[in-house]
Amino acid sequence: DAKTTQPTSMDCAEGRAANLPCNHSTISGNEYVYWYRQIHSQGPQYIIHGLKNNETNEMASLIITEDRKSSTLILPHATLRDTAVYYCIVRVGFAGGGADGLTFGKGTHLIIQP
Amino acid sequence: EPEVTQTPSHQVTQMGQEVILRCVPISNHLYFYWYRQILGQKVEFLVSFYNNEISEKSEIFDDQFSVERPDGSNFTLKIRSTKLEDSAMYFCASSLTSGGRNNEQFFGPGTRLTVL
Repeated sequence: DAKTTQPTSMDCAEGRAANLPCNHSTISGNEYVYWYRQIHSQGPQYIIHGLKNNETNEMASLIITEDRKSSTLILPHATLRDTAVYYCIVRVGFAGGGADGLTFGKGTHLIIQP
Repeated sequence: EPEVTQTPSHQVTQMGQEVILRCVPISNHLYFYWYRQILGQKVEFLVSFYNNEISEKSEIFDDQFSVERPDGSNFTLKIRSTKLEDSAMYFCASSLTSGGRNNEQFFGPGTRLTVL
């Protein structure tokens, strides 16, 4: 799986959009970008994933650059409950066959300030 | 909303003892995983399971570890002879598929294992 680089920590004011960047310059054509988060000591929580098109769901938006070498997770209206460690993970997304595990890095510790 | 459940939430054991950590994956999911997180460190993949056999395992998953799906709903992780360094939070996860759409993994709340 391709390596990802994320800032160690970020602050964001409550109610504002939180924009979390991720670099994945060695991503290959069949690798998806996944975002998970971990609120203190809880199990990681899936947020969103995408291949090359921008994606949006009820939690967040994912913007992937045209060359796919970087992406941004956007939490549109951050709340205090969004304080967590956010992980950007790149992995092959082929269907069928075996089940590969996720490789978590250190992620970005996002702190939402009141 | 369906969720992954794990029991117990906290397990304390003596070094050398066997422990079994239990998980109930989401009912229609076909792929199952165990991860661990030592306090203050990264979440680490241990093993994945599909079609009643191990699909992939990491270097951490040595002969002391085993997994089983004893019935249609439970998925267990057994540590045969616990060591101090096995103290960690253990997370179970499940997914509907392994790739493409619907392959996101859903995690349980974890079991905190403390080895004394």
